[in-house]
Amino acid sequence: LAKTTQPISMDSYEGQEVNITCSHNNIATNDYITWYQQFPSQGPRFIIQGYKTKVTNEVASLFIPADRKSSTLSLPRVSLSDTAVYYCLAPPGSYKLIFGSGTRLLVRP
Amino acid sequence: GAVVSQHPSWVICKSGTSVKIECRSLDFQATTMFWYRQFPKQSLMLMATSNEGSKATYEQGVEKDKFLINHASLTLSTLTVTSAHPEDSSFYICSAKPGVEGYYGYTFGSGTRLTVV
Repeated sequence: LAKTTQPISMDSYEGQEVNITCSHNNIATNDYITWYQQFPSQGPRFIIQGYKTKVTNEVASLFIPADRKSSTLSLPRVSLSDTAVYYCLAPPGSYKLIFGSGTRLLVRP
Repeated sequence: GAVVSQHPSWVICKSGTSVKIECRSLDFQATTMFWYRQFPKQSLMLMATSNEGSKATYEQGVEKDKFLINHASLTLSTLTVTSAHPEDSSFYICSAKPGVEGYYGYTFGSGTRLTVV
């Protein structure tokens, strides 16, 4: 399983763009990079998944360089409701998800 | 679509009693489900992989006789915390991968807050 490393916490202000970078140096050829969001006392929620280059959906963008050893989750114009913990994972295929420490994002008014 | 329902959302029990938590896939079949526990301000820790029709696979350090898992159907997995103690108080979360075309990632239940008094 690819080990992921991401910042423990980040602060931002409403309306700003937030970029959270995750390193996964030993990612395998077939692994996808997946990001989840978790609010207090709730289960994690899938945000976005990608293999390489850039993926965008209605919530976020995911940038993955050619070497795939890192990825960046980009949240455009965050609001207070984006305050949550964000997890980066690189699960192999349909295997179990092992969560790292995640990044605790605090959005201030 | 691809919803996992978890019940109850919270439960308080006395020390020494057992508590059962249900995890249902509402609109898809799940041959495999996963159970996690999460302590305050910590990440999710995988406890076990629940396999329909066979024994669960437990992670290292998780007592299988204490955390009984049953996956009797393609839509239901249960976790029973036996002889609960205050140190078992935690947030328990289940998940499954829908395997539905066009749907990525795993879907999680809303969690169960267990408090043992």
